[in-house]
Amino acid sequence: NAGVTQTPKFQVLKTGQSMTLQCAQDMNHNSMYWYRQDPGMGLRLIYYSASEGTTDKGEVPNGYNVSRLNKREFSLRLESAAPSQTSVYFCASSDPRGWTSSNDNEQFFGPGTRLTVL
Amino acid sequence: GENVEQHPSTLSVQEGDSAVIKCTYSDSASNYFPWYKQELGKRPQLIIDIRSNVGEKKDQRIAVTLNKTAKHFSLHITETQPEDSAVYFCAASSINFGNEKLTFGTGTRLTIIP
Repeated sequence: NAGVTQTPKFQVLKTGQSMTLQCAQDMNHNSMYWYRQDPGMGLRLIYYSASEGTTDKGEVPNGYNVSRLNKREFSLRLESAAPSQTSVYFCASSDPRGWTSSNDNEQFFGPGTRLTVL
Repeated sequence: GENVEQHPSTLSVQEGDSAVIKCTYSDSASNYFPWYKQELGKRPQLIIDIRSNVGEKKDQRIAVTLNKTAKHFSLHITETQPEDSAVYFCAASSINFGNEKLTFGTGTRLTIIP
């Protein structure tokens, strides 16, 4: 199993350009997430999807859109990139099961995409 | 919404000594508290988690304690080793089916001094 995969690994954009970050998981998880990680800020949730066909805003959704294409794939789109969106982006997935057993609610992260907006 | 504060932001510990990282949360409805470890240039990975119906949980050299009344939880690493050097993140969530959003702390960079 590849787990959670992300493409691309690195990207440089100019202000105003658009791009889509791709994420896929092969663990048959229902929930998927997009986070951004900035120095000193921890991981902040951008959007998440609790199941195929549903999406919801997280803590920092402005400037982003998402698509849950199917159960495996969850993409993040920047329509008009800004320097403030320079960050490392992580996709994650999980299959929350409440209190059944330990680590039931573990989120599995992808390797990340380092994005620079000039 | 939930707010999670984490201290200290950096921590240096002599190899073999213990390390303690503390977090506080604001939402009394939170009932799930995981800890993630992120090595340099790598993805975050879950190392231990605790639920609100438990006060303490141990896994070998790692333990987590939870005080619901004070709304704080802590990570304890004993007999630290060089491979424990990493950034550690605490998080909090209210686990309900269809709503599993985690709010993360800002991280603690732990350095183990040989």
